[in-house]
Amino acid sequence: DIQMTQSPSSLSASVGDRVTITCQASQDISNYLNWYQQKPGKAPKLLIYDASNLETGVPSRFSGSGSGTDFTFTISSLQPEDIATYYCQQYDNLFGQGTRLEIK
Amino acid sequence: QLQLQESGPGLVKPSETLSLSCTVSGDSISSRNYYWAWIRQPPGKGLEWIGSIHHSGSIYYNPSRKSRVTISVDTSKNQFSLKLSSVTAADTAMYYCARRVWFGGGAFDIWGQGTMVIVSS
Repeated sequence: DIQMTQSPSSLSASVGDRVTITCQASQDISNYLNWYQQKPGKAPKLLIYDASNLETGVPSRFSGSGSGTDFTFTISSLQPEDIATYYCQQYDNLFGQGTRLEIK
Repeated sequence: QLQLQESGPGLVKPSETLSLSCTVSGDSISSRNYYWAWIRQPPGKGLEWIGSIHHSGSIYYNPSRKSRVTISVDTSKNQFSLKLSSVTAADTAMYYCARRVWFGGGAFDIWGQGTMVIVSS
């Protein structure tokens, strides 16, 4: 089975900061990696699909990169409304453990 | 605009069967490019995929839950359903239905709002 390791588990940053979250797969998954945002009390929302493609309507400050086993999710300039938990998910339906993002 | 809506009992007794339905509106559940999935989230914890079904009948289950899970589809009602047998308190969670793209990374691109299920006597 493919294992996913997402880090960090929590992160505190200031408005305007560049924020990076990583997800590592235990074996090559090509670009089959997606990223979600979940705000408290809400369903997850797809932000990035196939490692680097921005879902329609998602602000351009969100981006994703990587292939193979190592993937990165970036918020270029953190906004207050970005406070949420972020999850990666690989094509075999397995989710990462989540990263809770807070404002410093 | 596609919408998914979960429905079912919010309280289930231990050892009984949890039954939920997801109604798809705004598009046909028979679209060949999508699977339809159940995902759950215990309070304060992460996301766990339960299983996915295609309207053709192709089904994939999380191996760790497979023995207790049944997912089915009713194209005439544009619905798909989840049954989880022999529930325990560990099955208490928010249950989401979602649409899964069948190609590429298999992203879950549309989600229902979720329904909370508590297992308690």
